[in-house]
Amino acid sequence: AQKITQTQPGMFVQEKEAVTLDCTYDTSDPSYGLFWYKQPSSGEMIFLIYQGSYDQQNATEGRYSLNFQKARKSANLVISASQLGDSAMYFCAMRENQGGSEKLVFGKGTKLTVNP
Amino acid sequence: NAGVMQNPRHLVRRRGQEARLRCSPVKGHSHVYWYRQLPEEGLKFMVYLQKENIIDESGMPKERFSAEFPKEGPSILRIQQVVRGDSAAYFCASKRQGTDTQYFGPGTRLTVL
Repeated sequence: AQKITQTQPGMFVQEKEAVTLDCTYDTSDPSYGLFWYKQPSSGEMIFLIYQGSYDQQNATEGRYSLNFQKARKSANLVISASQLGDSAMYFCAMRENQGGSEKLVFGKGTKLTVNP
Repeated sequence: NAGVMQNPRHLVRRRGQEARLRCSPVKGHSHVYWYRQLPEEGLKFMVYLQKENIIDESGMPKERFSAEFPKEGPSILRIQQVVRGDSAAYFCASKRQGTDTQYFGPGTRLTVL
C-alpha cells in the first residue's frame, strides 16, 4: 500500500489565485513529519514547508501553508497568490523513523501549471 | 552558505562501466541520504549514512551499488557495471543532527548508453 498518495497528477491555476495540492499519508508511527518539496523543470528539489505530527498549529512559510488534518491523515499544501514561477512538480513526503533512519517516503507528485 | 553540492551534474556511461557520484553536504550536516528518481516518478530512498557509518541501506540494490561517507571528503555513491536501468537522477540530501529537514543537492543525471 502506498504510504503517500497524491491523487492529482496535474493541476491548473490562474495567476494570483490560490491552489490546494492534496496529500494523504498512511503510518502507524505516532511520531512522523510531513514535507513538501518543489521540483521545477531545472530538476533541483527545493524544500518548501514542514509539519511535525505533534505540532498544534498548521505550518506556514510565506505564501505556502500546510493544511494538516491528523485524523484524516491529510497534509494538503496551499499556495496563495500563485505566480508563474510556481509552475513545477510538487512532491509530498513523509519522514519515517523506522530503525532511526528518518528516511523520506515520497508521493508521485503533482504537476502544477500556473496560467497567466 | 553553500548548500548541498553534487558532482557531476550529468554523467554518461556505457554499459559495464563504473559510475561515481559525489555529494558534499551542507557544512555542519553529519547525516547524508541518497535517493533515486526514475523519469516521471517520485524519489526513492537508497541509503542513509553518517560519518564513516552506513545506518540504513535498505533501499539500495544488493549488487553493484555501494556508498560511503568517509571522515574527510564527500559522500560517494558508486555503481559498478552500470546497466541501462540505472539511468536516473540521483539526489543527495543532508541534514543536521537533531533537526528534521533534509536539504537536497541539484542531483546527478546518469545516462547509461
